[in-house]
Amino acid sequence: SQQGEEDPQALSIQEGENATMNCSYKTSINNLQWYRQNSGRGLVHLILIRSNEREKHSGRLRVTLDTSKKSSSLLITASRAADTASYFCATGRQGAQKLVFGQGTRLTINP
Amino acid sequence: DADVTQTPRNRITKTGKRIMLECSQTKGHDRMYWYRQDPGLGLQLIYYSFDVKDINKGEISDGYSVSRQAQAKFSLSLESAIPNQTALYFCATSDSGWTGELFFGEGSRLTVL
Repeated sequence: SQQGEEDPQALSIQEGENATMNCSYKTSINNLQWYRQNSGRGLVHLILIRSNEREKHSGRLRVTLDTSKKSSSLLITASRAADTASYFCATGRQGAQKLVFGQGTRLTINP
Repeated sequence: DADVTQTPRNRITKTGKRIMLECSQTKGHDRMYWYRQDPGLGLQLIYYSFDVKDINKGEISDGYSVSRQAQAKFSLSLESAIPNQTALYFCATSDSGWTGELFFGEGSRLTVL
């Protein structure tokens, strides 16, 4: 079964607005990562947050992690048309021998 | 040039044919992976290799085999392709196992008729 579940499955907003995507997972983790995938292309790593961290920033990206709720959120501020893509969370657990990806959130930024 | 290169990028084949997807990397990473992505779904791990002599099955290895020819090369084979293996296949590398960043190729889109 999938470890990470993204919510919503699809999100459409106007350029300039903020976009928030959520990821929930089921078991304890060492880290949670967010990736972006432009249509039909390879995944690109955005940010990694470790289980002992609560928040990380990278440019217009802000990621939070709540291990008590087993959830994470990705906030993209001041969205741009180029942010249109699918966003995936992936969880890593020591000893689990795999990085488990969620089903992704498809984000559309309307000009 | 891309750090992780997959060939071919697109392939259409017929049921029963043998197909090989190739991956090469210039990142110098020991760890390499093959993932499969179906429309609207996340990625499923097919096989992974932590070094040239180490090959491990992932979640969905049935119907697939791999070969790690060198540190930089990891190929995926479908011995007898079937239509439900139609998918987008990704190769990825990392230098820190399951707790670090993965670097992905651009993908190989396979259609089995």
